[in-house]
Amino acid sequence: DTGVSQDPRHKITKRGQNVTFRCDPISEHNRLYWYRQTLGQGPEFLTYFQNEAQLEKSRLLSDRFSAERPKGSFSTLEIQRTEQGDSAMYLCASSPGTHSYNEQFFGPGTRLTVL
Amino acid sequence: QQQVKQSPQSLIVQKGGIPIINCAYENTAFDYFPWYQQFPGKGPALLIAIRPDVSEKKEGRFTISFNKSAKQFSLHIMDSQPGDSATYFCAAFNNAGNMLTFGGGTRLMVKP
Repeated sequence: DTGVSQDPRHKITKRGQNVTFRCDPISEHNRLYWYRQTLGQGPEFLTYFQNEAQLEKSRLLSDRFSAERPKGSFSTLEIQRTEQGDSAMYLCASSPGTHSYNEQFFGPGTRLTVL
Repeated sequence: QQQVKQSPQSLIVQKGGIPIINCAYENTAFDYFPWYQQFPGKGPALLIAIRPDVSEKKEGRFTISFNKSAKQFSLHIMDSQPGDSATYFCAAFNNAGNMLTFGGGTRLMVKP
């Protein structure tokens, strides 16, 4: 257990529905990252926050994807109008943010299945 | 576009063997190269990392070899154990982008 928690761990939804995932980082960590991992592939970077500021979001897969970190603590990732191609593991990671090379600690992920 | 290429996709060794996993990159802006280990149902966990100003780094049974001119790096696991059976990912960090780019992963099985 790295100290990064994600909820829910599994989500099954029907195509066209909206889903929201939550990530709670390690409490003193300033940076929070979202990745997507499809079966048999490495994680793919989506976006990251420095405290409450979203500093990189160009890698979000489409305008159906959005993320927030309103108070610089937990974060949410929302997918609107889900498609079958959105089925994947969504990983959250956090790091202290004191140095660019700080280790990123990953949570267990939320596995999304879109029917 | 896969910027970090990893091979092989899968690897089977006997206990005590030395599996070797290779990665290559194109982007010369990458300046930090970690390796992650992932067990089923878990997130990736950092194993060992290297910067391009050194050619080798060893931590316990894990060794990274780095060839800056060839833009290649590899992970060696000494005296491999069945508990090392997992998926291994190489990655590269671009400080300008503040993001990790992962390779495709290698599924390792160590037979008893």
